[in-house]
Amino acid sequence: NAGVMQNPRHLVRRRGQEARLRCSPVKGHSHVYWYRQLPEEGLKFMVYLQKENIIDESGMPKERFSAEFPKEGPSILRIQQVVRGDSAAYFCASSPTVDTEAFFGQGTRLTVV
Amino acid sequence: KQEVTQIPAALSVPEGENLVLNCSFTDSAIYNLQWFRQDPGKGLTSLLLIQSSQREQTSGRLNASLDKSSGRSTLYIAASQPGDSATYLCAVRPGGTGGFKTIFGAGTRLFVKA
Repeated sequence: NAGVMQNPRHLVRRRGQEARLRCSPVKGHSHVYWYRQLPEEGLKFMVYLQKENIIDESGMPKERFSAEFPKEGPSILRIQQVVRGDSAAYFCASSPTVDTEAFFGQGTRLTVV
Repeated sequence: KQEVTQIPAALSVPEGENLVLNCSFTDSAIYNLQWFRQDPGKGLTSLLLIQSSQREQTSGRLNASLDKSSGRSTLYIAASQPGDSATYLCAVRPGGTGGFKTIFGAGTRLFVKA
């Protein structure tokens, strides 16, 4: 029974490149949440998706960031034209329904050089 | 707006000591509160989950309490060990709509000296 799987675990991108972070939720979970953890800070909510739908993206920066959770395949967090300030750990969580406990993945650590 | 604060930000104790980590939140209308452990460069490990109707939860040497009326939770670690060294995060899940937006504290960084 695999938990939430995120890949890659570490990602290095040069300024201006694109970063694609993947999250495979627990099997059977249709609710996915993305969080960002900046250095020395707590996790901050970014976006909540339910299969093929973005339910709440109030925590997403207005530009360069997008997320999707297609009918088939993992959820993707995409960051275009990365800047140094995007360097952070990005965590994904999933739950079977919106009001049940969410399980977290190991995170993807993005470093922009 | 819900805010979660953890005190202290860092703590260093000798092995064997009992210790308490504190978490406070500003809005008592919560669905649950959860304590996580995060090791350097690693993901989150869930330690204890307390539902809003509960007062405490225990797991091994860990005990977490919840006092909604005062907006506080404590994580008690008994007989600390060097392996307990990590960052401990408190996370509150608000009640009502928008309850999926778990609010995290900045964490308490614990170092247990051998």
